[in-house]
Amino acid sequence: AQRVTQPEKLLSVFKGAPVELKCNYSYSGSPELFWYVQYSRQRLQLLLRHISRESIKGFTADLNKGETSFHLKKPFAQEEDSAMYYCALSNTGFQKLVFGTGTRLLVSP
Amino acid sequence: DGGITQSPKYLFRKEGQNVTLSCEQNLNHDAMYWYRQDPGQGLRLIYYSQIVNDFQKGDIAEGYSVSREKKESFPLTVTSAQKNPTAFYLCASSMGRSNYGYTFGSGTRLTVV
Repeated sequence: AQRVTQPEKLLSVFKGAPVELKCNYSYSGSPELFWYVQYSRQRLQLLLRHISRESIKGFTADLNKGETSFHLKKPFAQEEDSAMYYCALSNTGFQKLVFGTGTRLLVSP
Repeated sequence: DGGITQSPKYLFRKEGQNVTLSCEQNLNHDAMYWYRQDPGQGLRLIYYSQIVNDFQKGDIAEGYSVSREKKESFPLTVTSAQKNPTAFYLCASSMGRSNYGYTFGSGTRLTVV
């Protein structure tokens, strides 16, 4: 069964500090991993995909198959990064996304 | 303006009543999904549909029903059999493969009174 674990419900940092939002997964096949973000009063939206190895808004995430992790990182947090972040996993053939429980990031000035 | 429209934004239902949530998309996406979002539980999949006239149960389908008669529309009915229907419901669509990502609607908050 596919499962995504985000161990932190809330992560609070100061502006300019590094950020790491943790995501671990369990899946027997070859997974596709994503990070979604929901800013206040906005729709849930895709932040980045592991398959494209991109950096969006300064965020990066590397898939570590050995540790079954896909942690989201940013070297210097900004106040506008404050939001709810969800890690999600899909199987290779796609059919559906399984989401973690989410981590609220709060960046204080 | 392309996107997904969910209506209504807020919905109140009396116990024992069925209620239908609307989801329409004009993105020409093949696949559509319904998720339920509860505090501390993230998003849980209710139903999904990859093509017209076909849909599959997600992880928490009990007490819900859907139809997919048109590519653009994927309504969700919350039946009286759903024991705890008060929640925030999100509809999403995708081109078909998950690696393109989902486009989400703005959600419907259902409250049972």
